[in-house]
Amino acid sequence: DAKTTQPPSMDCAEGRAANLPCNHSTISGNEYVYWYRQIHSQGPQYIIHGLKNNETNEMASLIITEDRKSSTLILPHATLRDTAVYYCIVRVAGYGGATNKLIFGTGTLLAVQP
Amino acid sequence: DAGVTQSPTHLIKTRGQQVTLRCSPKSGHDTVSWYQQALGQGPQFIFQYYEEEERQRGNFPDRFSGHQFPNYSSELNVNALLLGDSALYLCASSLERGASRSSYEQYFGPGTRLTVT
Repeated sequence: DAKTTQPPSMDCAEGRAANLPCNHSTISGNEYVYWYRQIHSQGPQYIIHGLKNNETNEMASLIITEDRKSSTLILPHATLRDTAVYYCIVRVAGYGGATNKLIFGTGTLLAVQP
Repeated sequence: DAGVTQSPTHLIKTRGQQVTLRCSPKSGHDTVSWYQQALGQGPQFIFQYYEEEERQRGNFPDRFSGHQFPNYSSELNVNALLLGDSALYLCASSLERGASRSSYEQYFGPGTRLTVT
């Protein structure tokens, strides 16, 4: 079962920041938080991941609370092309064994409105 | 830099038939994972191949089998197709050998849409 909880859907106005929340209250100390998105009928696309510090790349920012029980993915200036299902996933940092499979929930459908 | 590629894009099969789906990993990657995504659901892990061996398996019956070749490409085989096998089948590749654990990422292909009638 997925170890994360996300709202099923959210709306955002084009050009505004989209803030997508994720709860992972049972996260362990060696688990990373990963975000992927899936545009309709395409394969999931990696966005960002982090352990405990906030992370930023060219696509988004990831804010992880100090207790690591929740996180927020921020798309600073949402466009219509950001309309997608966003998945928050926790994964053990390691190789082999149970570490390499991604357990997806149902994600958040972000609808960017013009 | 070639990303993950999958073939065919779409496929229609009849119940009871067998199907083979193919995946070429991202250049430089050595590990391939397969996922099944039913309509309206998140992807579900089927199995993973590393060094030509199945290393880990999700909750899927033995009708689902796979193979990894020396060039790291992979095949997913499904026997005795059922209507419930209709789904988008996704392949994801990653690098393990020599990679940093903190930088681990899986890259997904566009998927193969399988319809069983």
